[in-house]
Amino acid sequence: NAGVTQTPKFRVLKTGQSMTLLCAQDMNHEYMYWYRQDPGMGLRLIHYSVGEGTTAKGEVPDGYNVSRLKKQNFLLGLESAAPSQTSVYFCASSYSRTDYDGWQYFGPGTRLTVT
Amino acid sequence: GNSVTQMEGPVTLSEEAFLTINCTYTATGYPSLFWYVQYPGEGLQLLLKATKADDKGSNKGFEATYRKETTSFHLEKGSVQVSDSAVYFCALTPISSGSARQLTFGSGTQLTVLP
Repeated sequence: NAGVTQTPKFRVLKTGQSMTLLCAQDMNHEYMYWYRQDPGMGLRLIHYSVGEGTTAKGEVPDGYNVSRLKKQNFLLGLESAAPSQTSVYFCASSYSRTDYDGWQYFGPGTRLTVT
Repeated sequence: GNSVTQMEGPVTLSEEAFLTINCTYTATGYPSLFWYVQYPGEGLQLLLKATKADDKGSNKGFEATYRKETTSFHLEKGSVQVSDSAVYFCALTPISSGSARQLTFGSGTQLTVLP
């Protein structure tokens, strides 16, 4: 199993450009999440999905959109990038079973710089 | 709402020293508690977990006990190694299924172990 994979690993954008980050998992997880990591702030939830075709806002959703057309994929889009979106982005996934402890599997991250 | 307060770093120790990283939380009900570790350039990995009061999570020589009375989940290791150098995150997730198991993270503690 590859676990959780993210594409690309690094990206540099100019202000106003758009891009899509791809997250894929091969564990048949129902739940998927997008986080951003900034120095001294831990990880903050951007958007999440509880199943194919569903999405919901997290703590910091502004400036981002997401889609989950297939169960194994979760896409994060930036329509018009801003320097404040310079960050490291992590995708994660987990089971939804009520008897599950709730911990999440994380991808390796995407480092995005917006100039 | 839920929150996690974590000991601020950075923490620098000599090899074989004793490690404690403090973590306290605020949550409704009885959440599951986790410690994640992030090695340089990598994503987060689950280090250990505990799901109910007085549970002790342990892994790779690290331990943490779920203390409901003090709402704490402090991470300890008796003898650290250079390879333990990483960023450590305390996190929680509510038990209720309606939360989509969202994780709330502390701000992270950078640990450096010197030979």
